Amino acid sequence: DIQLTQSPSSMSASLGDRVRLNCQSSQGIGKYLSWYQHKPGKPPKPMIYYATNLADGVPSRFSGSRSGSDYSLTISSLKSEDTAIYYCLQFDEYPPTFGSGTKLEIK
Amino acid sequence: EVKLVESGGGLVQPGRSLKLSCAVSGFSFNDYWMGWVRQAPGKGLEWIGEINQDSRTINYTPSLKDKFTISRDNAQNTLYLQMSKLGSEDTAIYYCARLQWAGMDAWGQGASVTVSS
Repeated sequence: DIQLTQSPSSMSASLGDRVRLNCQSSQGIGKYLSWYQHKPGKPPKPMIYYATNLADGVPSRFSGSRSGSDYSLTISSLKSEDTAIYYCLQFDEYPPTFGSGTKLEIK
Repeated sequence: EVKLVESGGGLVQPGRSLKLSCAVSGFSFNDYWMGWVRQAPGKGLEWIGEINQDSRTINYTPSLKDKFTISRDNAQNTLYLQMSKLGSEDTAIYYCARLQWAGMDAWGQGASVTVSS
């Protein structure tokens, strides 16, 4: 199975900070990576699909990028409502696999 | 409005079976692949499997293949997850979701399943 390694596993940042969450794939998956925001008691919310495309309704402060097998989710200016666990998901090779998540908190 | 609503969760004894349902509305159900994901307490998300529009293609994460059966009824706009021989490791929140763009673009609120005697 393809392994997705997310880093850091947790982090805290201040309001207004630029935040970068990372997801590294154990092998090439092309553009077939998506990001999800997960808050307690809620279902995961799609944020990015095909590595760089913003999902419907997601604020423009979120963006996705790719460099080889390294993927990033960037929040340009952190807001309090961005506190959540963020997961990446690869859908290039079966079975689809999730990263272990990055827990993002506000300082 | 796209809506997915799971039902059928609850407390079940080890070794027993349970069937979850996911009723959808707000979109043409028979146009989409659908899938199931779960999250055990304190753990991350785990892919269970997915089913195509006409039920001819159903895929499962290999480690779960012998325990779960995914099906759908397009006339009833409902997705199902039949779970058998349940163990404590199957205690989780189970989510149904619509597949699109190599991911899941709409999710249900989740159904809680607790396996305990």
